[in-house]
Amino acid sequence: SQTIHQWPATLVQPVGSPLSLECTVEGTSNPNLYWYRQAAGRGLQLLFYSVGIGQISSEVPQNLSASRPQDRQFILSSKKLLLSDSGFYLCAWSVTPQETQYFGPGTRLLVL
Amino acid sequence: DAKTTQPPSMDCAEGRAANLPCNHSTISGNEYVYWYRQIHSQGPQYIIHGLKNNETNEMASLIITEDRKSSTLILPHATLRDTAVYYCIVRDHLMNSGYSTLTFGKGTMLLVSP
Repeated sequence: SQTIHQWPATLVQPVGSPLSLECTVEGTSNPNLYWYRQAAGRGLQLLFYSVGIGQISSEVPQNLSASRPQDRQFILSSKKLLLSDSGFYLCAWSVTPQETQYFGPGTRLLVL
Repeated sequence: DAKTTQPPSMDCAEGRAANLPCNHSTISGNEYVYWYRQIHSQGPQYIIHGLKNNETNEMASLIITEDRKSSTLILPHATLRDTAVYYCIVRDHLMNSGYSTLTFGKGTMLLVSP
């Protein structure tokens, strides 16, 4: 069966510091991968998605970037965090872009 | 914007069936109805999805009206661990439409009590 992992689970970072969140998927090959952010009391916002290694699509302009160095690894990064980057970051995967997305456990980021 | 309407909250007694309604009056012919739930501080969990026919799996049943303008998620025997926010979502499965947006609304907060 397929599993999706995210780490760290929680993170407290000062404004202006760098960020690296990691997501890995096991039990499947060539998954479609997604990064979402869920701000407190708000819905999910799609940040990035990837259909393959090195292929990244950005949904909204922001202070964040994504990379996919390996087939089942998706990384969310920032060079300098802003207060507004605080939130719950979720990674998800699907077999095709149209099919069911399965979410990871999430990373809660607090920027102070 | 979410294309669904759900009640903000519902209560259910443990062991009873929980019936969560969802209105999606503008759903198009190619759009599926998906249900996810999110337990506090966890990632959303996929529950079930369907197009026209009623669906059942080990977690729940999905009843879609004949005109497809509304649906009901049924948890047959709710437990305390089913307390969560339940999201009803419509999304397109067309193979030539590229990425299909997954838009979560505010959902229904289901509280299962002893």
